[in-house]
Amino acid sequence: QKEVEQDPGPLSVPEGAIVSLNCTYSNSAFQYFMWYRQYSRKGPELLMYTYSSGNKEDGRFTAQVDKSSKYISLFIRDSQPSDSATYLCAMSSAGGTSYGKLTFGQGTILTVHP
Amino acid sequence: DSGVTQTPKHLITATGQRVTLRCSPRSGDLSVYWYQQSLDQGLQFLIQYYNGEERAKGNILERFSAQQFPDLHSELNLSSLELGDSALYFCASSKGLAAYEQYFGPGTRLTVT
Repeated sequence: QKEVEQDPGPLSVPEGAIVSLNCTYSNSAFQYFMWYRQYSRKGPELLMYTYSSGNKEDGRFTAQVDKSSKYISLFIRDSQPSDSATYLCAMSSAGGTSYGKLTFGQGTILTVHP
Repeated sequence: DSGVTQTPKHLITATGQRVTLRCSPRSGDLSVYWYQQSLDQGLQFLIQYYNGEERAKGNILERFSAQQFPDLHSELNLSSLELGDSALYFCASSKGLAAYEQYFGPGTRLTVT
């Protein structure tokens, strides 16, 4: 079983829809939770990161972390065709020998059609 | 543009050969990370260097090695290449030791024939 599970999709939504992307994880040592966006043949782009549990909002994007359920989410409001990309969740611990290591989900392919 | 640069963009080589991938971190960043991305394995952490020292290691093969130089640029050396090493190789950088807030370069696409 992988440490981080993410539904690969693909997910197709109409423009303006609210998109919900999710990941589950098994390693209770994870304290930092990140969301990256990756366009085809490009490097991953950091959207936002959250420490421990709670919500964080940045423009149309909201990240939620529920450590009790080992479940994280990214919501995209008023989705646009330019949001079409692969979304990757990533996690890391807050210390120890794995401090510098990011563990990624497989990525969810999102298409927003006009 | 993340500020992380990688060269070359594309590399085509034969099995058994050795290649070197190069990465320059963002200005002011002391940590450099290397990742491998393939269709079946996804994005996999290989190794982290901080200010010239190795700090964290992932599932990096013994045929692969990396180093970070005094000017903070890094190189990833891949030797005795196999077909299965064909992948996208990304470099990322961050200010400190922690893994969060990493910024990725555009990647090097390696094709082994």
